[in-house]
Amino acid sequence: AQTVTQSQPEMSVQEAETVTLSCTYDTSESDYYLFWYKQPPSRQMILVIRQEAYKQQNATENRFSVNFQKAAKSFSLKISDSQLGDAAMYFCAYKVQGGSEKLVFGKGTKLTVNP
Amino acid sequence: DTGVSQDPRHKITKRGQNVTFRCDPISEHNRLYWYRQTLGQGPEFLTYFQNEAQLEKSRLLSDRFSAERPKGSFSTLEIQRTEQGDSAMYLCASSLPGTGDTGELFFGEGSRLTVL
Repeated sequence: AQTVTQSQPEMSVQEAETVTLSCTYDTSESDYYLFWYKQPPSRQMILVIRQEAYKQQNATENRFSVNFQKAAKSFSLKISDSQLGDAAMYFCAYKVQGGSEKLVFGKGTKLTVNP
Repeated sequence: DTGVSQDPRHKITKRGQNVTFRCDPISEHNRLYWYRQTLGQGPEFLTYFQNEAQLEKSRLLSDRFSAERPKGSFSTLEIQRTEQGDSAMYLCASSLPGTGDTGELFFGEGSRLTVL
């Protein structure tokens, strides 16, 4: 069974600084997708960034980038120039390509941004 | 606003009662998903619809749980004979045709269930 592990229950960062959230996963599949979703307090979860496993190039979306290490089954999220609005729960998620529709989520990392 | 909407946002019920949650997806989205999120955990997949067809169900969806999407638009999730362990946030999500396989889901704000 696929599993996603986020080893940092909580992280904090100073405004304008950079922070990296960690995620590891376990799968025997070769084709899959990885995601970081953001869940602000009392608001809906939104997709931050997505990575296809077959792509070697790390995905980037503005201030958000990932470090995807397929062999190590590691998928970290880097947030640059952190802003107060980045404060939220961040969930790493996995989905096999072409099979189950299920997204498998980690337990999340609570990010606090200090002014 | 054309986001995913869920109703009610919060439901408090007594153990043994039945509850029903409704989800209205984004109008052009043909795929609809239900997830459950308990305190301190990430969301867990419950079930998935493509149009009106329920194509996938998790083992988490016990006999007391039933989901429907009768006309391929809104969906309902009913929990019969609620138990305290059912207390959770129930999240609905939808996705665009052709992108569902990529996992890009649009979530609602959730329906929080408290079973006393």
